[in-house]
Amino acid sequence: DGGITQSPKYLFRKEGQNVTLSCEQNLNHDAMYWYRQDPGQGLRLIYYSQIVNDFQKGDIAEGYSVSREKKESFPLTVTSAQKNPTAFYLCASRTGTRDTGELFFGEGSRLTVL
Amino acid sequence: AQSVSQHNHHVILSEAASLELGCNYSYGGTVNLFWYVQYPGQHLQLLLKYFSGDPLVKGIKGFEAEFIKSKFSFNLRKPSVQWSDTAEYFCAVNPMDTGRRALTFGSGTRLQVQP
Repeated sequence: DGGITQSPKYLFRKEGQNVTLSCEQNLNHDAMYWYRQDPGQGLRLIYYSQIVNDFQKGDIAEGYSVSREKKESFPLTVTSAQKNPTAFYLCASRTGTRDTGELFFGEGSRLTVL
Repeated sequence: AQSVSQHNHHVILSEAASLELGCNYSYGGTVNLFWYVQYPGQHLQLLLKYFSGDPLVKGIKGFEAEFIKSKFSFNLRKPSVQWSDTAEYFCAVNPMDTGRRALTFGSGTRLQVQP
């Protein structure tokens, strides 16, 4: 079935360590997104990418980095510079040609910093 | 920057009660509007969307929403809720004439339906 796969589902990290969250989609979508979900704050945009080898900062990009080397993959690295990284991270994609398509979400990755 | 406000953070209803969840956005230009739902333990999924045309849009599971441009609102409604509607609901806006090609979400409303 087509969809978005995020891994790992749960991740524990020590302070000062970088960690990379994987996001893969087989929907042939052009655009991919990373959101962070915290209780009471909804979803906040971290980074997004409309095409391969291009990406834009969202509202809370500090302490995060991304790459888009392949259409189907959009990994997110949470660096040690992110001051409060414990959160639920959601990856999404949609057809990017007209900006009107719905977002399809993965099941999320929960990161806990110990 | 655009923002989305959801006024109700936590709503508790009995089965068969009517539901209305508020959503207001701050952007003055053309927008696409969405409601997403997150059932316990499941991924976010689309309930309904508004792009243009009839401001009253119908979605899945008996939900509907009305776009009122003059009020910058897109409230979600359901005449009679069921226990299975227990979930978190998110309103989102996509401005159509800016350089931002991404949805902005509200803070969410947690709905608890009691049997």
